[in-house]
Formats: sequence, C-alpha cells, structure tokens
Amino acid sequence: GDSVTQMEGPVTLSEEAFLTINCTYTATGYPSLFWYVQYPGEGLQLLLKATKADDKGSNKGFEATYRKETTSFHLEKGSVQVSDSAVYFCALMGMKTSYDKVIFGPGTSLSVIP
Amino acid sequence: GAGVSQTPSNKVTEKGKYVELRCDPISGHTALYWYRQSLGQGPEFLIYFQGTGAADDSGLPNDRFFAVRPEGSVSTLKIQRTERGDSAVYLCASSRTSGGLAADTQYFGPGTRLTVL
Repeated sequence: GDSVTQMEGPVTLSEEAFLTINCTYTATGYPSLFWYVQYPGEGLQLLLKATKADDKGSNKGFEATYRKETTSFHLEKGSVQVSDSAVYFCALMGMKTSYDKVIFGPGTSLSVIP
Repeated sequence: GAGVSQTPSNKVTEKGKYVELRCDPISGHTALYWYRQSLGQGPEFLIYFQGTGAADDSGLPNDRFFAVRPEGSVSTLKIQRTERGDSAVYLCASSRTSGGLAADTQYFGPGTRLTVL
C-alpha cells in the first residue's frame, strides 16, 4: 500500500542554519504530496503542497519539489528561525481512489535554538 | 467558526467506559475525515464521510469504534468499552470536495486528547 518515510528526528539547529528534512514515498499512480506542520500545542496546519511531478510547493520560506524519478519530496529552508520549532509531517494523498485519505509519515521534530 | 473545531479538547476516562468525541467542520465542507494520532507518530486514517454517509470506514480498528454524521455537518466519533490502547489524539479534518482530481486540501482541527486510565 501507499506509504511515506521521512528522516528521523529530533533535529536541532541553530538559528539561521539551513534545513533539510528528507521524505520519500511509495504510491501507485500520481499522488499529491504535502508537508504539514504541528506547532507546540496547536493543530496540524498545511505548510505546502505539490500536485504533480516537478511542481515546487513553497510557503513561509519553506520549499519542496515533487521528484517522481526519486519518489521524494524533501523539505528545505535556507535560514530557520526559533519560531520554526515544530513537528513536520510529510504526507501523500492518492488519486487512484474515489476519496482522499491522507497518509502521513511519522513526523520529524525540529528544534531551533537562538 | 473559521476553522474545524473539536470538543472536548481533553477527555480522561476509565477503562470500559463509553466516550463521544465531536467535530464541527468548516461550514460548507462536504467531506469529513477522522484520524488518530498516537504519541510520536503521524495521524492514521479512521473513517471518511461524504455528506451524511460513511463512504469508507476501513481504518476503524474494531467494532468498538463508530462514527455518525446525521445531518451532513457535525460528526461524532463514538468509542465503546474503552481500552488503554485507545489513548491518543483524535483529529478531525474537512475539505470542500472529495474524489480524485477534484480533491481539495484537508483542514485539521486541534484534536481531542483521549486518555484511558
């Protein structure tokens, strides 16, 4: 079945460091790919998405490119801030079914220190 | 309200008791989803509603779990004879549409943290 794998955390970075969180997926067909973020004490929020190969999703300085050839959707940010500390979930939504459950990875915890 | 709301935010119960968790989706959203998030893991799909009907309940772990959406808006997730292993955060999400290429982004509520003692 469809699945998502992402790098294990926790990840600790200094402010202004470069961030990469790796994500790879297994799916039949052409899924949509997402990054969700969960800030401490808050609900899941959609960070960015890409719906087809080579699309780049971006938001709040974060970017991820849908790479079908490597089945990857790595999250990057050039300069992280303390406020980016959160848990990040890579996810996919398959298009082969008549509805759209989201399949999540296990999450990667990010802590940014001043 | 502007977003998906869930009540209660926290629920503590004893093993064997019955609980109900409520979800109010974004107004006008026809698709509603329930997920369960155990500690340190990503959310896992439980059940999906399109309108009033449960279109897919394949994620419900067993027959102690049941969900309804009688008027196509508010949904209630019901758990009978709760067990300690049911402890988790239960998330609700809604979207405007559902189905293949017309699928829309799912917006999540803050969740209900269920603790079974």
